[in-house]
Amino acid sequence: AQSVAQPEDQVNVAEGNPLTVKCTYSVSGNPYLFWYVQYPNRGLQFLLKYITGDNLVKGSYGFEAEFNKSQTSFHLKKPSALVSDSALYFCAVRDAGTGFQKLVFGTGTRLLVSP
Amino acid sequence: DTGVSQNPRHKITKRGQNVTFRCDPISEHNRLYWYRQTLGQGPEFLTYFQNEAQLEKSRLLSDRFSAERPKGSFSTLEIQRTEQGDSAMYLCASSISSGMNTGELFFGEGSRLTVL
Repeated sequence: AQSVAQPEDQVNVAEGNPLTVKCTYSVSGNPYLFWYVQYPNRGLQFLLKYITGDNLVKGSYGFEAEFNKSQTSFHLKKPSALVSDSALYFCAVRDAGTGFQKLVFGTGTRLLVSP
Repeated sequence: DTGVSQNPRHKITKRGQNVTFRCDPISEHNRLYWYRQTLGQGPEFLTYFQNEAQLEKSRLLSDRFSAERPKGSFSTLEIQRTEQGDSAMYLCASSISSGMNTGELFFGEGSRLTVL
């Protein structure tokens, strides 16, 4: 069964500094990996995904993530954080080999960007 | 607004009552999903439809829960004999199938259930 771990409940970073939100995963086959963001009183919004190909994927709002197969990680990064990036971030994984559509989410990491 | 729409946004009910939530997906999306989210947790998969066919259902899902998508458009999620543990945010999402089946999910804003 697939699973996702987000080891940090909260990440604090100053505006203008780089940010990293960590995610590790476990699947029996090849992973499809996703990052979603949730703003207060808003639905989950898709940020980016890794399916195959280049290990560095770029997404919305200047975010990017790096797929590392040997470390089974998919950390979310941004070179320069904005206060408006403050939100709840979820990593999710699907097992590409099963044919099932079930997406398994982590518990989320709250990002707080201070001015 | 052409996003995923969920109704009602909030529902307060007494234990033992039945509740029904409705989801209207993005019109061209043939896949529809239901998830449940409790405080401090990520969304938990409940069930998945492709068109009108319910293809996946969580083994953890109680038989008090039932979902339908009769015409392959909107979907309903019914919870019978509600319990306090059913209190959560119920999320609906839709996507469009592609050759690689890797379409991202588009989520609605959710329906919050409180069982007293």
